[in-house]
Amino acid sequence: DIQMTQSPSSLSASVGDRVTITCRASQSINRYLNWYQQKPGKAPKLLIYAASSFQSGVPSRFSGSGSGTDFTLTVSSLQPEDFATYYCQQSYSSPLTFGGGTKVEIK
Amino acid sequence: EVQLVESGGGLVQPGRSLRLSCTASGFTFGDYGMSWVRQAPGKGLEWVGFIRSEAYGGTIEYAASVKGRFSISRDDSKSIAYLQMNSLKTEDTAVYYCTRNGPYSRYYFDYWGQGTLVTVSS
Repeated sequence: DIQMTQSPSSLSASVGDRVTITCRASQSINRYLNWYQQKPGKAPKLLIYAASSFQSGVPSRFSGSGSGTDFTLTVSSLQPEDFATYYCQQSYSSPLTFGGGTKVEIK
Repeated sequence: EVQLVESGGGLVQPGRSLRLSCTASGFTFGDYGMSWVRQAPGKGLEWVGFIRSEAYGGTIEYAASVKGRFSISRDDSKSIAYLQMNSLKTEDTAVYYCTRNGPYSRYYFDYWGQGTLVTVSS
């Protein structure tokens, strides 16, 4: 199974900050990496698929990059509605696996 | 508008069975694979399994933690996906989400239901 490791597990940031979350795969997954945002009590929402492609409706302050084993999700200017937990997920092979999540909190 | 609505969750004793349903609307259900993803209380996301569309063989895959106990099926005429859960364990307690797979059998989850809570307890 492919293990997905996210870092950090949590971070505190202020509105307007640039935030970067890292996801590392235990083996190469090409660009089969997806990012989700989950707010408390809500279902996750797809932000980015195939490492850097935007899901419809996602604000342009979100961006994804990487290939192989190392990937990043960047929020260029954090907004109040962006405080949430973010998960990466590999879609390279079954079983599909998620990272442990990164909780973005208000500083 | 794509909508996925889960139903069938609740409290069940260990060893018993439960069937979840996911009713879809707003898209051509038969063209998409469907997945189930769960989240134990206060924990992260765990993929449970998926069923491909008929165009991709309609085949099914499961996570090791549920293989042999859970089964996924679909009724394209009714736009419903099912998760049959047998021999339930306390560690199966979670919110279960129905998700739509990306187009062309891509294995990301582009739409999610609101989730249904399954509690396994005596």
